[in-house]
Amino acid sequence: QVQLVQSGAEVKKPGASVKVSCKASGYTFTNYYIHWVRQAPGQGLEWMGIINPSGDTITYAQTFQGRVTVTRDTSTSTVYMELSSLRSEDAAVYYCATSMPATGYYFDFWGQGTLVTVSS
Amino acid sequence: DIVMTQSPDSLAVSLGERATINCKSSQSVLYSSNNKNYLAWYQQKPGQPPKLLIYWASTRESGVPDRFSGSGSGTDFTLTISTLQAEDVGVYYCQQYYSIPLTFGPGTKVDI
Repeated sequence: QVQLVQSGAEVKKPGASVKVSCKASGYTFTNYYIHWVRQAPGQGLEWMGIINPSGDTITYAQTFQGRVTVTRDTSTSTVYMELSSLRSEDAAVYYCATSMPATGYYFDFWGQGTLVTVSS
Repeated sequence: DIVMTQSPDSLAVSLGERATINCKSSQSVLYSSNNKNYLAWYQQKPGQPPKLLIYWASTRESGVPDRFSGSGSGTDFTLTISTLQAEDVGVYYCQQYYSIPLTFGPGTKVDI
């Protein structure tokens, strides 16, 4: 079955960068788009961007343009999300999630989440 | 951007009773060429990622109990839990996937 396993929790200082990984298994890596969604403590869900692992097409939410970079490594079926110039408001749980190209961009499988703490 | 709103913010329902959550989009998420509403519902329990319940506004995801149902079209949608079970406690989010950026409602907390 589809599984997304994310890297562990991170603690970063303001101004630093964080890179979170999402390793996919249980399906052909190029068959699903992968999205990044974050959730600040006690808050709602915020979509950050999407990557098409087969064609390397990437789209980011305007909110994160210039600060976020999503990449993929097809040899290890892993997608990475790097967020730079971290500020306190970036403290959140970051999730990767899949959607199928043939359907709409709803999220059928999710990673377990990665907690990013931003503190001086 | 399409803004999603939900009501109520929270509700408490007795076991076995009906729970109704409303979701409204700032513009229509009905795509006329295929007559589909680009609207999904998720359930999130504490410490867990969201779980997909409903997509295309009314299609239940595989394995989701049939007490969960979605309805509505255009800009107004409803998630109904027909007979609330203890395991249904959590926060429910609607999400539009009609256009990028994908956006979520603020969530509705359901308690017993």
